[in-house]
Amino acid sequence: DAGVTQSPTHLIKTRGQQVTLRCSPKSGHDTVSWYQQALGQGPQFIFQYYEEEERQRGNFPDRFSGHQFPNYSSELNVNALLLGDSALYLCASTGTNQETQYFGPGTRLLVL
Amino acid sequence: QQQVKQSPQSLIVQKGGISIINCAYENTAFDYFPWYQQFPGKGPALLIAIRPDVSEKKEGRFTISFNKSAKQFSLHIMDSQPGDSATYFCAAITGSSNTGKLIFGQGTTLQVKP
Repeated sequence: DAGVTQSPTHLIKTRGQQVTLRCSPKSGHDTVSWYQQALGQGPQFIFQYYEEEERQRGNFPDRFSGHQFPNYSSELNVNALLLGDSALYLCASTGTNQETQYFGPGTRLLVL
Repeated sequence: QQQVKQSPQSLIVQKGGISIINCAYENTAFDYFPWYQQFPGKGPALLIAIRPDVSEKKEGRFTISFNKSAKQFSLHIMDSQPGDSATYFCAAITGSSNTGKLIFGQGTTLQVKP
C-alpha cells in the first residue's frame, strides 16, 4: 500500500514565476492538507481540501491556491513566487476513522 | 495564542541516556497533542500522541507527560539509540485529530552519540 506521494521531489524557480506541486493521498484517504516547512522550522498549515472544496485555510496569502480532484489527489499552486517561498512543501492525507494525518516526503522548492 | 513553543532547539545525548523535549501552549482549546519524528528527506511521522484527560502515555521507549494546569507537555525517550537521531516536533490540534489544523512547535534536533 503506497503512502502519500508527492511530485516533484525538488524544484527550482525564479522570482515572479508560478509553480504547481502535486500530491496523491494514501489509499482510502479523502482529505488532503498542505503545509509549508521553512528550513529549521516546524510545518505551517496552508489549507485543507475535502470533497474538492477548501475546508480550512491558514494564514497564507491568496497567491497560494489549491485544488482537489475527484480521485482525492491535490495540487498546490503558488503564483508570483517570492524568495521567502523557498521551503519544503508537505502534503498530508487522512480519512474517516484515522487517528492522524499521514505526511508525504515533501517537495523542496527553491526560489532564486 | 495559536503558538506551540518547543525547547531545546538541539539536544545531544549519549546512547542509553534519556532524551527530554519540552513544549508549552497557550490555547486551552487544543485537545490533542501529537509528537512527530522527522528524518532528513522524509515527511514527519506520528510517534505518539496524548489527549488532555490523561497525564501520561507510554509506548515502548517513548513517554508523553502532560501537565494541563501548566499547559505543558514533554516527550521522554528512554534508552536513547543512535537510530533515534532525528528532528522531533510537538504539535497541537483543536477538534478532530485527523482533520484539524496541526500547529507545530519549532522542532528539536536530537543527536544520540554511540
